[in-house]
Amino acid sequence: DAEITQSPRHKITETGRQVTLACHQTWNHNNMFWYRQDLGHGLRLIHYSYGVQDTNKGEVSDGYSVSRSNTEDLPLTLESAASSQTSVYFCASSESVAMGADTQYFGPGTRLTVL
Amino acid sequence: QKEVEQDPGPLSVPEGAIVSLNCTYSNSAFQYFMWYRQYSRKGPELLMYTYSSGNKEDGRFTAQVDKSSKYISLFIRDSQPSDSATYLCAMSRGSNYQLIWGAGTKLIIKP
Repeated sequence: DAEITQSPRHKITETGRQVTLACHQTWNHNNMFWYRQDLGHGLRLIHYSYGVQDTNKGEVSDGYSVSRSNTEDLPLTLESAASSQTSVYFCASSESVAMGADTQYFGPGTRLTVL
Repeated sequence: QKEVEQDPGPLSVPEGAIVSLNCTYSNSAFQYFMWYRQYSRKGPELLMYTYSSGNKEDGRFTAQVDKSSKYISLFIRDSQPSDSATYLCAMSRGSNYQLIWGAGTKLIIKP
């Protein structure tokens, strides 16, 4: 069965360190997204990609970067981790649709703590 | 003011009750409305998808959209403890537009 996986599931790091969160999908979807979820804020979009070599900034992109070298993977990098980046991170993917809104499929999340 | 407002709860009801979850929004351009369900320590999963105004029913779940009032609802009949989760509304103007999310309502169904 097709799926979307994230690793690691839990990560503790120190302020100032570079951290990379992995996301891998086997749906063969063109679109991939990174969100963070915090109490009271719901899901906030960090970066998204509509295909290989395409990346775009979302609502809360400062301090984060992504690159898309193939269809299956969209790693998220925190350049210099800050305590404000302590959160749960979700990766999602969707198929491009000509009409309507795409249905996003989510991974299980990565719980990141920055000390 | 956020584009999509959703009461975070928690909302606690007894098993068997009818549950009503709601979102309000400010952007009249939204045409597609979704409800996602998120169990604890899991990713969200699509529960209901509706286009424009009207009702859509799927088993015990009914999604309702009132575009004139900019108000959407999710009704759960005969609620079960397994329905305990966070319910997030999401909406979009259409393809090539991002989903805009509510904050999510935590629902607790007491046995």
